Amino acid sequence: EVQLLESGGGLVQPGGSLRLSCAASGFTFSSYAMSWVRQAPGRGLEWVSAISGSGDNTYYADSMKGRFTISRDNSKNTVYLQVNNLRADDTAVYYCAKGRVWFDYWGQGTLVTVSS
Amino acid sequence: QSALTQPASVSGSPGESITISCTGTSSDVGGYNYVSWYQQHPGKAPKLMIYEVSKRPSGVSNRFSGSKSGNTASLTISGLQAEDEADYYCSSYTSSSTLVLFGGGTKLTVL
Repeated sequence: EVQLLESGGGLVQPGGSLRLSCAASGFTFSSYAMSWVRQAPGRGLEWVSAISGSGDNTYYADSMKGRFTISRDNSKNTVYLQVNNLRADDTAVYYCAKGRVWFDYWGQGTLVTVSS
Repeated sequence: QSALTQPASVSGSPGESITISCTGTSSDVGGYNYVSWYQQHPGKAPKLMIYEVSKRPSGVSNRFSGSKSGNTASLTISGLQAEDEADYYCSSYTSSSTLVLFGGGTKLTVL
């Protein structure tokens, strides 16, 4: 059974940083691209970033470039999202998802709240 | 890069069929067969319902079908059931540097 478990969310002040993690199980992790998708409260889904199975290729939404960094550790079956210089409009549930352009499995999400 | 355009809401009675549209451009929906659809119930993670325009993942009811014409993709749900009431999002690969676009979402109400 495929499982994706996000962690690392929480309350952070504007300008702060967070590293989100997503631990995967139930599939050959290194064979699949992984992505992050976020959803602000009461709003729609927004694609954030993706990384290839090997980790050699990374992709970012234009609005996320510069502050977001995706990475993965295939020895730990884990994908990460480092978010710096957080702003109020980064407040959202951040989902980890399996895939690059369509997403067949999703985690339950981790809530990031940016507030002073 | 603008989001794909979906109607804010649609509704139908049990047993009826409804269609949700998703309009993009030739750089996304119209140019590639990488349109997918997701169902999201309140407080839950999205669930993949359709990928690559019209393919259904294992376990998804055949009441759900997808299609595309030009720059507009569509999700049709036949034989509406109460459990289908949810938000639905389309998504597409895009040739822009952003890679993936989502639609704004459509709230389906089963009357």
